[in-house]
Amino acid sequence: DVKVTQSSRYLVKRTGEKVFLECVQDMDHENMFWYRQDPGLGLRLIYFSYDVKMKEKGDIPEGYSVSREKKERFSLILESASTNQTSMYLCASSSTDRAHEQYFGPGTRLTVT
Amino acid sequence: AQSVTQLGSHVSVSEGALVLLRCNYSSSVPPYLFWYVQYPNQGLQLLLKYTTGATLVKGINGFEAEFKKSETSFHLTKPSAHMSDAAEYFCAVTYNTNAGKSTFGDGTTLTVKP
Repeated sequence: DVKVTQSSRYLVKRTGEKVFLECVQDMDHENMFWYRQDPGLGLRLIYFSYDVKMKEKGDIPEGYSVSREKKERFSLILESASTNQTSMYLCASSSTDRAHEQYFGPGTRLTVT
Repeated sequence: AQSVTQLGSHVSVSEGALVLLRCNYSSSVPPYLFWYVQYPNQGLQLLLKYTTGATLVKGINGFEAEFKKSETSFHLTKPSAHMSDAAEYFCAVTYNTNAGKSTFGDGTTLTVKP
């Protein structure tokens, strides 16, 4: 069974803090993704990575950065958290071998106060 | 740019009734098509997918979907709704390029009334 884990289910941070969200997958998938999910807006892609140290911007990269130093781990960084980054963050991974079906983690609900 | 439209952000059915969730995509080349389900406070999980071959695909929990190329549609159905089907459903389109980046619809919340 593919497992995608995220470091926290719930997180509360203050405005201006640097925030790290970690995602780990155990199926040797080459692709990894970070989304944010907000009511009425569906899933919006923040960044994705198709290989170690490779990354590409998604639809809403502003205010975020990512790091992928190892194949299994993909980190999302909020350089200076703001209240409009309060959201549910979902990590996913996929493989070309399985037609890119995505496996999702349980999500991190981040509140920035 | 590829896009996915899910008609109806909220669908309500009675228990035992037919479930029909609509999905249309814009594409000039054959895509991979997916339906995902999300239960409250959880991540998304795959319900079913179409890649090639038979256009009617069956998934988990009694759901199925039919790929209709001429209509660029991939509607999700289930003959008889169960209370446990209440969730949010997302249609997604992926192409076998660009690291498999998917475009998701905005989601449809399914309510099942007793």
